[in-house]
Amino acid sequence: SQQGEEDPQALSIQEGENATMNCSYKTSINNLQWYRQNSGRGLVHLILIRSNEREKHSGRLRVTLDTSKKSSSLLITASRAADTASYFCATDAADSWGKLQFGAGTQVVVTP
Amino acid sequence: EAEVAQSPRYKITEKSQAVAFWCDPISGHATLYWYRQILGQGPELLVQFQDESVVDDSQLPKDRFSAERLKGVDSTLKIQPAELGDSAMYLCASSLGPRGETQYFGPGTRLLVL
Repeated sequence: SQQGEEDPQALSIQEGENATMNCSYKTSINNLQWYRQNSGRGLVHLILIRSNEREKHSGRLRVTLDTSKKSSSLLITASRAADTASYFCATDAADSWGKLQFGAGTQVVVTP
Repeated sequence: EAEVAQSPRYKITEKSQAVAFWCDPISGHATLYWYRQILGQGPELLVQFQDESVVDDSQLPKDRFSAERLKGVDSTLKIQPAELGDSAMYLCASSLGPRGETQYFGPGTRLLVL
């Protein structure tokens, strides 16, 4: 079973535009992590946000976390063709031992 | 930059055969994870090791899957016998510790069972 659900399932934008995707989850968490996966490749870690944090930035990425709504968002600003990938949120549940539960991902296509 | 190594990258096998995947985590990472990712879905944890001990294998189909990390470093995941439904990407990840740590993923092994 998958804890997180990403929305939308797919997103198509042009270079220079911003991309926003959301993640909802069901149980209390220690942290939430966002990963990127290029087609047929392994996952690349983007950002980890802890349950006591509300917002985090890394380069062109901005992640927010609202534990009261059990939701998170990932914003990619000024997107590039190289940002084309699938993006996954993963939750480290409060009662787990580091086990990550992934959503089904958002497929992002950035066209030049 | 240190990376998680996996081999082979691709494996094609016939059903009922045995297959094995190998993972070498980042040096010094005590926690190792094996995930399975079916096409179009997110990864799902199969087994988690802390050093050489299994701490979570609740989603591992134990009738056909086995995993070991004998010296607490590299790890092997085995399927015997393979079934058609085992076709997936098998991902290995490692982290410094089990809680609240970033997990670093290897490139994965793509398995096709015919």
